[in-house]
Amino acid sequence: EDKVVQSPLSLVVHEGDTVTLNCSYEVTNFRSLLWYKQEKKAPTFLFMLTSSGIEKKSGRLSSILDKKELFSILNITATQTGDSAVYLCAVDCDTWVQGAQKLVFGQGTRLTINP
Amino acid sequence: DARVTQTPRDKVTEMGQEVTMRCQPILGHNTVFWYRQTMMQGLELLAYFRNRAPLDDSGMPKDRFSAEMPDATLATLKIQPSEPRDSAVYFCASAPAGATYSNQPQHFGDGTRLSIL
Repeated sequence: EDKVVQSPLSLVVHEGDTVTLNCSYEVTNFRSLLWYKQEKKAPTFLFMLTSSGIEKKSGRLSSILDKKELFSILNITATQTGDSAVYLCAVDCDTWVQGAQKLVFGQGTRLTINP
Repeated sequence: DARVTQTPRDKVTEMGQEVTMRCQPILGHNTVFWYRQTMMQGLELLAYFRNRAPLDDSGMPKDRFSAEMPDATLATLKIQPSEPRDSAVYFCASAPAGATYSNQPQHFGDGTRLSIL
């Protein structure tokens, strides 16, 4: 069975700290790994990673994938209270449909940034 | 900004009642997904459609759940009869699908929060 595991499940830090969120996976057919941020409602897309070792960056957020060790990390530097959210990792493991993603999600990491 | 629209936002009903949730995907997106989110199980894929045809509904309990796309602008998820264990947030997502999927993430709606008493 395809599985995605995130750690930690919950993290509380102070504003300005740097955090690293982890995502490991065991899937039969890996196509890509995605990170989403979920505040109150809809998960919103952050990054999609398909190749090992290539860092994706957006402002204070960055992410990297290691396909040999089967994990990804999401880094957030100089955290702000607005970064408080659940961060979801998902792996696209669709086996046969071209052009569609079949996502298996991890449980999420609940990040709380205290002022 | 184009958005996935879901209705209703909240639904509270009694066990045994029929529940219908609706989703309007982003215009031009031809792949639609239904997910269920609970504290215990997280986000689980229930079913997905491409060009209105169901591709995979293996995540859905078939005896009571059904998913359809009557047209390209409407997807429905129906539960009949509903049970308390169906209480969850149900998300719809859509994505464009083409020969190269790698730049086409799914976009999620705000969800329907369903409570079965």
